[in-house]
Amino acid sequence: GIQVEQSPPDLILQEGANSTLRCNFSDSVNNLQWFHQNPWGQLINLFYIPSGTKQNGRLSATTVATERYSLLYISSSQTTDSGVYFCAVGHSGGGADGLTFGKGTHLIIQP
Amino acid sequence: DAGITQSPRHKVTETGTPVTLRCHQTENHRYMYWYRQDPGHGLRLIHYSYGVKDTDKGEVSDGYSVSRSKTEDFLLTLESATSSQTSVYFCAISEENEQFFGPGTRLTVL
Repeated sequence: GIQVEQSPPDLILQEGANSTLRCNFSDSVNNLQWFHQNPWGQLINLFYIPSGTKQNGRLSATTVATERYSLLYISSSQTTDSGVYFCAVGHSGGGADGLTFGKGTHLIIQP
Repeated sequence: DAGITQSPRHKVTETGTPVTLRCHQTENHRYMYWYRQDPGHGLRLIHYSYGVKDTDKGEVSDGYSVSRSKTEDFLLTLESATSSQTSVYFCAISEENEQFFGPGTRLTVL
């Protein structure tokens, strides 16, 4: 099956810093999502981005499907950004198959 | 909020007992999914459904069964729970190819 690798596995930053999280995947995809899992375990949708670039406030994401990677940018980090960030990919369109998740990047923002 | 609820939210049970987890959605989504999350792993797909009475296996389906007798409910059953099934279980729906997740059920098998 498809492999998803995320880097770095852990990241500790000071409040106000910027960060870039990377997701590499081993095959073509037609679904790519970024999630934030907060300290209470809730999975929050950040981006649905099988290709292209999107921005939402301090967060933005870019997926280069032909080169099989995606990047999540977090600018001006806040302590509430702490948690685990997951990249997940899917093969088929229309929502038929499930997502394959990476192991996540554990981000800690220190005040 | 994609209108997904899971019940129970927490459960402690003993090895060998049957357990059923429920996922309920209110927005008539066709596709529903069950995942499990364990330390050091992302989420892994257990089973999914693409309509009433239509289900298929995912990556880690051994020891689990599912049923979907109506659009709004997707049930996950552990016929005889084992300690290796201690995990957090998430239900998801798909809306225009984007998946949204429920709050999760924390299951402990002693």
